[in-house]
Amino acid sequence: DAGITQSPRYKITETGRQVTLMCHQTWSHSYMFWYRQDLGHGLRLIYYSAAADITDKGEVPDGYVVSRSKTENFPLTLESATRSQTSVYFCASIPGGFGPGTRLLVL
Amino acid sequence: KQEVTQIPAALSVPEGENLVLNCSFTDSAIYNLQWFRQDPGKGLTSLLLIQSSQREQTSGRLNASLDKSSGRSTLYIAASQPGDSATYLCAVNESGGYQKVTFGTGTKLQVIP
Repeated sequence: DAGITQSPRYKITETGRQVTLMCHQTWSHSYMFWYRQDLGHGLRLIYYSAAADITDKGEVPDGYVVSRSKTENFPLTLESATRSQTSVYFCASIPGGFGPGTRLLVL
Repeated sequence: KQEVTQIPAALSVPEGENLVLNCSFTDSAIYNLQWFRQDPGKGLTSLLLIQSSQREQTSGRLNASLDKSSGRSTLYIAASQPGDSATYLCAVNESGGYQKVTFGTGTKLQVIP
């Protein structure tokens, strides 16, 4: 099926651990994005990518790392997870749309 | 910094009622405005996109209007149905570049049968 997939859909981890959230698109859209959604804040942009090997920071990039070695994949890594990174993470591509989200709980 | 506000945060209406959802933004120099629907546990689905030069867009029972000078947009839903129950978000694009999009916090709509 065409679209954007995210994995895992749910993740529980502990403070200080490294976590990688995966995002895969079945098209070849150039632009891809990572957002986090928190109560009272709406969606906030973490990182975006205009093409393979081109990434840039969004509004809230601290504590996150991204890579884009292939056009279809855009993984997001939390280098050392903190409780404040508990959130719902959405990947998106333009013009494809949004993935279903990953719900991350950091204990 | 652009701020996008959606009031009310939650709304409950009986089936069949026409309703209006509001979105306000602080900086009127926008490129476009988009309305999304978000179902529980799901991602965002685009409903309507209004360019800055447009006043409104329509899709089926949905009509979105844009008044840049007053910093407001409304989403009108006609003859609401239980299936319309979801959270509705507006997003303002300031530059045409996708990295300059500010989302509102949404209005959670419940349509009661």
